[in-house]
Amino acid sequence: DTGVSQDPRHKITKRGQNVTFRCDPISEHNRLYWYRQTLGQGPEFLTYFQNEAQLEKSRLLSDRFSAERPKGSFSTLEIQRTEQGDSAMYLCASSFGTEVILNQPQHFGDGTRLSIL
Amino acid sequence: KNQVEQSPQSLIILEGKNCTLQCNYTVSPFSNLRWYKQDTGRGPVSLTIMTFSENTKSNGRYTATLDADTKQSSLHITASQLSDSASYICVVTRDNYGQNFVFGPGTRLSVLP
Repeated sequence: DTGVSQDPRHKITKRGQNVTFRCDPISEHNRLYWYRQTLGQGPEFLTYFQNEAQLEKSRLLSDRFSAERPKGSFSTLEIQRTEQGDSAMYLCASSFGTEVILNQPQHFGDGTRLSIL
Repeated sequence: KNQVEQSPQSLIILEGKNCTLQCNYTVSPFSNLRWYKQDTGRGPVSLTIMTFSENTKSNGRYTATLDADTKQSSLHITASQLSDSASYICVVTRDNYGQNFVFGPGTRLSVLP
């Protein structure tokens, strides 16, 4: 399977614990996005990487959230001191784009479902 | 405010019937409009991408239309199948970077036998 993969698929943890999710994008994709999705809603943007550079961060991303994409390959999203409100599906997407290659689809992984007890 | 609204919120149809989902947006500037299908517990999958100059685009039994003047789009599903049961999300892109994808809340479609 050469799609976007996310690990783990499910994570249950107690409030106050730290969690880390991993995303492996499609190998030739230079752009990587993290989203959060709650039940019945569309995805909400969290952050965006072009290669290894984190270019955008949503105001939803509090200082408890941090994301990295070392060497422009896989990415990790860490949530520190988790809260009940962090319970959601965390989606990763990747795409390829340049200033002249536009309108390319985002390819999503199947997400990590986080449940905070 | 940049916003994407979708209607109906949910829809139930019988297998074999057609249906049309609506998307209205107030996003500016506009780069393109996308429709995604999201099965329960899975990530969204791209169905169509339309730029300003495109009025219609098809992907099998899915046909999307775009009226950039009225800022409306529709997704028409022909001869529905049980596997069409999913959420359909409309997304408007302001440019090709970062957070400038504005997602709608989705329409939940249930196709019954």
